[in-house]
Amino acid sequence: GENVEQHPSTLSVQEGDSAVIKCTYSDSASNYFPWYKQELGKGPQLIIDIRSNVGEKKDQRIAVTLNKTAKHFSLHITETQPEDSAVYFCAASFYGNNRLAFGKGNQVVVIP
Amino acid sequence: IAGITQAPTSQILAAGRRMTLRCTQDMRHNAMYWYRQDLGLGLRLIHYSNTAGTTGKGEVPDGYSVSRANTDDFPLTLASAVPSQTSVYFCASSETGDSPLHFGNGTRLTVT
Repeated sequence: GENVEQHPSTLSVQEGDSAVIKCTYSDSASNYFPWYKQELGKGPQLIIDIRSNVGEKKDQRIAVTLNKTAKHFSLHITETQPEDSAVYFCAASFYGNNRLAFGKGNQVVVIP
Repeated sequence: IAGITQAPTSQILAAGRRMTLRCTQDMRHNAMYWYRQDLGLGLRLIHYSNTAGTTGKGEVPDGYSVSRANTDDFPLTLASAVPSQTSVYFCASSETGDSPLHFGNGTRLTVT
């Protein structure tokens, strides 16, 4: 079935350090992997996504890497800033299934 | 501003009452979704619609119904609310099943 595991559940980092969140997925046929950021009182917002034909994608301080063999993908935030504090969700879609399965979320706290 | 509008933003509802959560999008997206978000459980899919006129069940559909009479609107109905339906409900849309989801800002529902 569709299963996305997200680790760790909470991550505290010093401002300026890097943060890494890892997700694993169960279906080797998955082809689309987005990351969402959710701030308090708001809906999740897409921050970066990657498809299965690409191993890495960067957008300024944010990058996502995908390891299809190991069935995991990771979000990397460099030079963290207080405004990066939020809940981050990973998700995966599946061939023949147009729905996204979400991880349970990761609370990132950037300490000034 | 293009996006998803959810109403109401919050509601307190007595158990046994009927309630419809409204969702409208102006992006002409084909697919729409309803998720519920509960602490520690992340985002769970209730119902989805691939295109106007079609709907499908997600991970936690019991106690909920949806309709998709047109492209823009995707209301979620609780026929007889129960306390376990206390949650934050998010509506989302996407162009296709594996394209980015756009979320509304949610409806916080408390069933007493």
